[in-house]
Amino acid sequence: AQTVTQSQPEMSVQEAETVTLSCTYDTSESDYYLFWYKQPPSRQMILVIRQEAYKQQNATENRFSVNFQKAAKSFSLKISDSQLGDAAMYFCAYRGYSGAGSYQLTFGKGTKLSVIP
Amino acid sequence: GAVVSQHPSRVICKSGTSVKIECRSLDFQATTMFWYRQFPKQSLMLMATSNEGSKATYEQGVEKDKFLINHASLTLSTLTVTSAHPEDSSFYICSARPAGTMNTEAFFGQGTRLTVV
Repeated sequence: AQTVTQSQPEMSVQEAETVTLSCTYDTSESDYYLFWYKQPPSRQMILVIRQEAYKQQNATENRFSVNFQKAAKSFSLKISDSQLGDAAMYFCAYRGYSGAGSYQLTFGKGTKLSVIP
Repeated sequence: GAVVSQHPSRVICKSGTSVKIECRSLDFQATTMFWYRQFPKQSLMLMATSNEGSKATYEQGVEKDKFLINHASLTLSTLTVTSAHPEDSSFYICSARPAGTMNTEAFFGQGTRLTVV
């Protein structure tokens, strides 16, 4: 079974600064996807960024980028120029092949990010 | 973009009654929908995978007779909590994966906060 570990329950960052959220995972599969989701107080899950395991290039989406280290099974999220609206819970998620063809998501426990004005 | 609507957003029910939660994909067809449960300040735990036209696949430890899932059409899945008890109080979230392309991510509903009194 796959596991996803987020070792930082809480993080804080000064507005306009950069913060990195850590995520490690365990899998025996070679083909999979990794995601970072944001869950603001509204509880709506929002996809921030995704990475295909077969791609060596790190994914980027505007101020969000990842550092994907496949051999180390590490997938960290860097948020640059942090904004107040970035304050939320961030979940790292893994998606592989469930055997039933349903591509289930396995989530980490989350990191609560606070942005200090 | 892909929109998943979950209804109701909040529901309070008496202990012993049943409550139905709907998950609709508004602008795409979803062959697979997922139901998650999220306790306060915790991660999302997959309860079951719902495939259109077939029986749902439940995760270990989830009572299929208590959490009835029906996925009768390509745009609607329902979760019915039967004989609800206070310990069933939680935040329930659905997600739907568009039909056809296996590489598309799933999109999340807004969630339903269930309180059993």
